[in-house]
Amino acid sequence: GQNIDQPTEMTATEGAIVQINCTYQTSGFNGLFWYQQHAGEAPTFLSYNVLDGLEEKGRFSSFLSRSKGYSYLLLKELQMKDSASYLCAVKDYGQNFVFGPGTRLSVLP
Amino acid sequence: GAGVSQSPRYKVAKRGQDVALRCDPISGHVSLFWYQQALGQGPEFLTYFQNEAQLDKSGLPSDRFFAERPEGSVSTLKIQRTQQEDSAVYLCASRQAPRRLAGTDTQYFGPGTRLTVL
Repeated sequence: GQNIDQPTEMTATEGAIVQINCTYQTSGFNGLFWYQQHAGEAPTFLSYNVLDGLEEKGRFSSFLSRSKGYSYLLLKELQMKDSASYLCAVKDYGQNFVFGPGTRLSVLP
Repeated sequence: GAGVSQSPRYKVAKRGQDVALRCDPISGHVSLFWYQQALGQGPEFLTYFQNEAQLDKSGLPSDRFFAERPEGSVSTLKIQRTQQEDSAVYLCASRQAPRRLAGTDTQYFGPGTRLTVL
């Protein structure tokens, strides 16, 4: 079966660093994606990992360990505008993107 | 266009009514996906088109749900005899590459249609 787990909610302070974890068990693996979704808006692409290791893109970094079925999204120098839901999604060998439930991040002043 | 557009943005239907949701993908994008997103949940896959061909409809929850993309661009998701459990946001996404060109090519999502069935 397909199963992706993320924490439901997280809270952090402006300027801090936060790590959002994602574990997955899927029938196939062809990449892991992170999306950001503000309330009432469409998900927007943040990062993609297909090989083990860390991908850095500005304030955002994403890590993947395929052997552990584990990824995390790291957000540095948090800003108020980073308050959103963060979706972890695994692409299987077909075209399907299997999404996790999302982690709602609240950034406090 | 510049991005994926969907219409209407909001739809209220009485139980038993039929609804039609429209998606205009990014011009030239081969792949088109429909997702259903319940409140506080991640998107759940409904169906996938490559050009006009519906290659995967395994996520459609019942035979009341029907999707088409007759000319390989605009797509319509139709829900017949709507039920309260159909209330959700329906997201459309498009992707440039077809199946065999998998990789970093991500999906681009539209703003969604929020369907409320009373």
